[in-house]
Amino acid sequence: DQQVKQNSPSLSVQEGRISILNCDYTNSMFDYFLWYKKYPAEGPTFLISISSIKDKNEDGRFTVFLNKSAKHLSLHIVPSQPGDSAVYFCAALRKTGANNLFFGTGTRLTVIP
Amino acid sequence: DTEVTQTPKHLVMGMTNKKSLKCEQHMGHRAMYWYKQKAKKPPELMFVYSYEKLSINESVPSRFSPECPNSSLLNLHLHALQPEDSALYLCASSQGPPPSLYEQYFGPGTRLTVT
Repeated sequence: DQQVKQNSPSLSVQEGRISILNCDYTNSMFDYFLWYKKYPAEGPTFLISISSIKDKNEDGRFTVFLNKSAKHLSLHIVPSQPGDSAVYFCAALRKTGANNLFFGTGTRLTVIP
Repeated sequence: DTEVTQTPKHLVMGMTNKKSLKCEQHMGHRAMYWYKQKAKKPPELMFVYSYEKLSINESVPSRFSPECPNSSLLNLHLHALQPEDSALYLCASSQGPPPSLYEQYFGPGTRLTVT
């Protein structure tokens, strides 16, 4: 049962434009959401997170938006750069349960120079 | 220092071999994890060590045997693997163990090929 979903397996964006990566979840008990970035043959790198009590968190070019009523979050990258090309995983954490980190299936972002 | 290191980077082994994967972190994190990742899939949790004790084993076959010699080191001993075990093996650590809300930091992974 996939509790965190990324419905777009891939996204292509022109350099300098905005990249918007989307993520949906089914469990309203998640407390914390994270985005990881992964280059080929490397481990995921933690990028940005947001608590479930907030609706926006910004860090430089990266902003995460959370819409709890829609159980939806998105990652905005502005402006997009070729070095941002990677697979982005959305993940969700909850305060209960032994295995409490749930990953989405990933979206491959390609930024075209 | 927010680095998790893993060795080796690549490993090719036969089905009768015994090998070990190593992971190290010096962030003072008290939880360490092993994940397996297949191509185009998210990481799948295998084991969690909390304060150097095994706290989660996600029904992993006994041919995978984890070990946590101290709070900075995590090993994964491999024996009699199958070709379908070929994958990227990721180590991660976090400040506190599940179900805490600390983000996990991942190592670069070991690309394992079983022939």
